[in-house]
Amino acid sequence: GNSVTQMQGQVTLSEEEFLFINCTYSTTGYPTLFWYVQYPGEGPQLLLKVTTANNKGSSRGFEATYDKGTTSFHLQKASVQESDSAVYYCVLGPYGGSGNKLIFGTGTLLSVKP
Amino acid sequence: GGIITQTPKFLIGQEGQKLTLKCQQNFNHDTMYWYRQDSGKGLRLIYYSITENDLQKGDLSEGYDASREKKSSFSLTVTSAQKNEMAVFLCASGDTYNQAPLFGEGTRLSVL
Repeated sequence: GNSVTQMQGQVTLSEEEFLFINCTYSTTGYPTLFWYVQYPGEGPQLLLKVTTANNKGSSRGFEATYDKGTTSFHLQKASVQESDSAVYYCVLGPYGGSGNKLIFGTGTLLSVKP
Repeated sequence: GGIITQTPKFLIGQEGQKLTLKCQQNFNHDTMYWYRQDSGKGLRLIYYSITENDLQKGDLSEGYDASREKKSSFSLTVTSAQKNEMAVFLCASGDTYNQAPLFGEGTRLSVL
């Protein structure tokens, strides 16, 4: 079936450190992949998306590459800021045949210390 | 600009009570979703709807009903609230396969 795996439940960094959040997915189709970010008390909001395999998406210094070979969509940022502290979700879909479903990973809580 | 409005923002219920959550969107999106968010478990799909009067079950539909009588609104009913239940219910809407669905701010449920 379709699924998304985020192994890191929590990541703690200091400002200006490098961020890497692991995401792998499983699907039989060709979905769009997203990263959403959720700040306390708010709903998730789109951070970036990639619609085509082997392409890279970027936004606000974050980037992720849709790697169909390794079925991965890892999130990276060269230098984090305290304001990046939030929960990050890797998301699969929707796409034709999935019934318009969005499938969320379990989320990674990023805490950035000043 | 458009907006997704969820009401109420906070909902306190009693065990066994039927509770209804509402969601309105003015983007004219075809698809709407209800997700449940529990701490440490990410978002789990309860119901979604691809058009007016359509309903599709998600992975967590047991214990819930949904209704999409108008394109702009999607309601969720907790058929019998469970004691000590605490979760955030998130509504989202979207259109076309490549557009990223947009989320409301959520309804926070507590059951006494």
